[in-house]
Amino acid sequence: GESVGLHLPTLSVQEGDNSIINCAYSNSASDYFIWYKQESGKGPQFIIDIRSNMDKRQGQRVTVLLNKTVKHLSLQIAATQPGDSAVYFCGGLITGGGNKLTFGTGTQLKVEL
Amino acid sequence: NAGVTQTPKFQVLKTGQSMTLQCAQDMNHNSMYWYRQDPGMGLRLIYYSASEGTTDKGEVPNGYNVSRLNKREFSLRLESAAPSQTSVYFCASRTGGLNTEAFFGQGTRLTVV
Repeated sequence: GESVGLHLPTLSVQEGDNSIINCAYSNSASDYFIWYKQESGKGPQFIIDIRSNMDKRQGQRVTVLLNKTVKHLSLQIAATQPGDSAVYFCGGLITGGGNKLTFGTGTQLKVEL
Repeated sequence: NAGVTQTPKFQVLKTGQSMTLQCAQDMNHNSMYWYRQDPGMGLRLIYYSASEGTTDKGEVPNGYNVSRLNKREFSLRLESAAPSQTSVYFCASRTGGLNTEAFFGQGTRLTVV
């Protein structure tokens, strides 16, 4: 049978629609929460971050929402384009001490034409 | 600028062999990281280094050692490779402090047979 954890959660959206990628985090010690994008065959790339004392931050076509009460982070992509197809990782940075930067398991975003 | 350079890009090892993965950055960054990426498991932090001369264990350090040789270089050593260490390994660096943007290398695909 299929093993749990071997497949990434997948989100399929139509080109031009808005995408919402969700992330539940466990480490409340993070000073910043972050989103990275990984295209096939490449290393991850930074998209946007949000400080832990904020609840919303907007960038170019992207918005990150943070709900610390339920430990939930989301990334909204407006007017999704084919170039947005990638794996998206949420993560957290603890700025004190060793500067620990950790990531979650990722979500595969597929943009359908 | 080359950014973050990892060598080698591909490697096949036999169980029990040792090897060192090399990582170098030319951005004068303080913090450096080693991650492994397995299907469905996301990016897991192996070791990290906040500055030259300091290293810390991440989420999955067993079976690995690291050396922060100088500010530019951060190597990852497998003393006795096991099939469970088959993975794609990524090195990353960031300025440090409150800057959350990390730059990743292209990855090393390691297979242990």
